[in-house]
Amino acid sequence: QVQLQESGPGLVKPSQTLSLTCTVSGGSISSGGYYWSWIRQYSGKGLEWIGYIYYTGSTYYNPSLKSRITVSIDASKNQFSLELSSVTAADTAVYYCAGGLEWSQLLAYWGQGTLVTVSS
Amino acid sequence: DIVMTQTPLSSPVTLGQPASISCRSSQSLVHSNGNTYLSWLQQRPGQPPRLLIYQISNRFSGVPDRFSGSGAGTDFTLKISRVEAEDVGVYYCMQATQFPLFGQGTELEIK
Repeated sequence: QVQLQESGPGLVKPSQTLSLTCTVSGGSISSGGYYWSWIRQYSGKGLEWIGYIYYTGSTYYNPSLKSRITVSIDASKNQFSLELSSVTAADTAVYYCAGGLEWSQLLAYWGQGTLVTVSS
Repeated sequence: DIVMTQTPLSSPVTLGQPASISCRSSQSLVHSNGNTYLSWLQQRPGQPPRLLIYQISNRFSGVPDRFSGSGAGTDFTLKISRVEAEDVGVYYCMQATQFPLFGQGTELEIK
């Protein structure tokens, strides 16, 4: 069973870059067919998909966030990461990493989530 | 862009009774490859979301058979045949035919 765990700062200053890492266990991040995604949730309700990285390294980002996002993979550490630049208070949310084998099960496995607050 | 609309936003249900949640998309969710990428997720209080149903009607591993999905094109439904206490939470539909997008969520509560 694939398990995921997010890590990173819980507080980021406005205009800075939010950086989070997701550590995958129970399987290789380079296993064929896996999509690795980032999702965020505002105020405990609304969910927004941020983007994914495929096991090959190709990426696909939410068009509304595309100019500020970088998702990368570090196979040696079995991790993938999110960088979101020029953050504002509107980026305050719980950030989840998720993974799935095949597009139809894109968000099959989820981390527990980490709250990131943007504030000076 | 596709818009996903769920109804109702809140659903009080009696234990042991059925429940139904509707999800409507503003465009057809049939992909050019013929597949329809409509999923349902459950989020229990204090927990991350959990995949219940994918491609309209396929239950994910470990999901009880009281959960079922149906629909086609732009109209989809999640049904719970007999609600149990552990089913309390928020249910989301999600389309991945274009870039993934969630419905606004339906809160299932016990009467």
